[in-house]
Amino acid sequence: KAGVTQTPRYLIKTRGQQVTLSCSPISGHRSVSWYQQTPGQGLQFLFEYFSETQRNKGNFPGRFSGRQFSNSRSEMNVSTLELGDSALYLCASSQVARDWTGELFFGEGSRLTVL
Amino acid sequence: AQTVTQSQPEMSVQEAETVTLSCTYDTSESDYYLFWYKQPPSRQMILVIRQEAYKQQNATENRFSVNFQKAAKSFSLKISDSQLGDAAMYFCAYNRDDKIIFGKGTRLHILP
Repeated sequence: KAGVTQTPRYLIKTRGQQVTLSCSPISGHRSVSWYQQTPGQGLQFLFEYFSETQRNKGNFPGRFSGRQFSNSRSEMNVSTLELGDSALYLCASSQVARDWTGELFFGEGSRLTVL
Repeated sequence: AQTVTQSQPEMSVQEAETVTLSCTYDTSESDYYLFWYKQPPSRQMILVIRQEAYKQQNATENRFSVNFQKAAKSFSLKISDSQLGDAAMYFCAYNRDDKIIFGKGTRLHILP
């Protein structure tokens, strides 16, 4: 079974631009979560999508948005990039059944550098 | 507000020795899951061990075990017989409101 796939793996943008990151979850997983990882803050929760609906949202400005498609693939978008948005963006998928134990399966991440 | 605290940003341990990574968390719920995730350099984050809060018995996975103190809201990870492949960032986490909240991580170095 293929793992979580994130594209692109690396990208460089300049301030003010926007970026779209993609995540394909493990087949059969309907929940996709996004995290921002920085050295000083660790992993911070961005949002979670389940069956094309945003179920949870972290404390990030509205410049950060996401969506999920009917095949469970998800995208996140960051508009008007700032230097502080430089980070590793991690996507994680999970099955989310009645007996969900909370285990997340992570992709390798998309490393965004904002110049 | 940070609700998972890992007080050791970095730790080092000699190969074959035992090391304990600490974690405290804050929750008002009685039933939840706690996790330790491992992130090797430039590799995917993987689950190391999971603890169900209503189970008093500490979880164990081979060389990895936890010391779960529910009343103290403490969840430490013990790695026995440390190996070079254990070098990684370790994140403590728990589920709250259907999302997983992570600590800031502890970078573990293994000294040969």
